[in-house]
Amino acid sequence: EDQVTQSPEALRLQEGESSSLNCSYTVSGLRGLFWYRQDPGKGPEFLFTLYSAGEEKEKERLKATLTKKESFLHITAPKPEDSATYLCAVHFPSGNTGKLIFGQGTTLQVKP
Amino acid sequence: EAGVAQSPRYKIIEKRQSVAFWCNPISGHATLYWYQQILGQGPKLLIQFQNNGVVDDSQLPKDRFSAERLKGVDSTLKIQPAKLEDSAVYLCASSLPLGEQFFGPGTRLTVL
Repeated sequence: EDQVTQSPEALRLQEGESSSLNCSYTVSGLRGLFWYRQDPGKGPEFLFTLYSAGEEKEKERLKATLTKKESFLHITAPKPEDSATYLCAVHFPSGNTGKLIFGQGTTLQVKP
Repeated sequence: EAGVAQSPRYKIIEKRQSVAFWCNPISGHATLYWYQQILGQGPKLLIQFQNNGVVDDSQLPKDRFSAERLKGVDSTLKIQPAKLEDSAVYLCASSLPLGEQFFGPGTRLTVL
């Protein structure tokens, strides 16, 4: 069964304390892996797409990496405004357009 | 560029009542998605449209949920009759074919 698992479920960091979020998947025919940020009461906001093992993308304090079975979202020197739920989603073939399966998310709290 | 619009933002109904949600996707996005997000979980795909046609509705509870996309633009999702377990946030997203999905703010449904 196609599955996406994120860990940890929740993470508390002090401002400036770097860490990583994990997303592991068991999906055949991966077309891409997406990272989203979701603030309370809002829809997910697109961050990154990764397509192949070894690929990396960066945006401000965030860096996403991809291997054959998992992805990491590294947060360097986080600030309180980075507090949010981070969702990963795997895109795999389904019909002509593909399909996304989301993980359950990691809720990050950064304390000043 | 305008984002995905959804209405209403909040809805409270009694069980066995009916409810409808509306979505207006980003202009030019042929693919439209409805997701259900239960508190503490990642979004789960309910139905995916490509223009007017349904691409995937395998996880849509068809005995009570229905959706349509008229003229390949706006879409409505209906629940009739609602159950307590339908309490969730209903997210609409749109994309170009195989592109990243952009989400609306969601409709928070509470069934009492």
